Amino acid sequence: SQKIEQNSEALNIQEGKTATLTCNYTNYSPAYLQWYRQDPGRGPVFLLLIRENEKEKRKERLKVTFDTTLKQSLFHITASQPADSATYLCALPGGGNAGNMLTFGGGTRLMVKP
Amino acid sequence: DGGITQSPKYLFRKEGQNVTLSCEQNLNHDAMYWYRQDPGQGLRLIYYSQIVNDFQKGDIAEGYSVSREKKESFPLTVTSAQKNPTAFYLCASSTQGTQPQHFGDGTRLSIL
Repeated sequence: SQKIEQNSEALNIQEGKTATLTCNYTNYSPAYLQWYRQDPGRGPVFLLLIRENEKEKRKERLKVTFDTTLKQSLFHITASQPADSATYLCALPGGGNAGNMLTFGGGTRLMVKP
Repeated sequence: DGGITQSPKYLFRKEGQNVTLSCEQNLNHDAMYWYRQDPGQGLRLIYYSQIVNDFQKGDIAEGYSVSREKKESFPLTVTSAQKNPTAFYLCASSTQGTQPQHFGDGTRLSIL
């Protein structure tokens, strides 16, 4: 079955730097991949969706890449701010027992220091 | 404003008791989902419903039950058969297909 791997260790960076988070999957390449942001005690909020035929997607300071050869998606936040501190989850269809439903990674916590 | 409302925010269960978590959406979404999140872990799918009066088991359905009598509502019952119910429960909805999911702000369930 599909496994999703995100770095469980927190990523600490200085304000103004670019944060890069990694999402690796182990089996077949999905038709698309999604990224969410989750703040403590809150539900995840959708950020970006990238399809398998798209190498890169941008939204304001966010950029997502999708490399089906490496079975990896990278999530970048440029000019990071303390307000970007949160846990970031990647999700892709399949991998569980529920057909094409989304499977979520464990998330990576980002801490941006002023 | 459209969104998903989960209640209560905190819930305590006694031994042998069933408890029901509420989830209501006014986004006119066909699909609704229930997830469980344990500390430091990803979301695990409990049940999902793609249309009214129909629902399917997810990866960890044992000890849980749901109903979908109305498009707007998808309550989750945590039964006494669920021996480790302490977790953060998240409800979500979406239109069909590849569309993103919209989440509520969760219910934190603990054992008394």
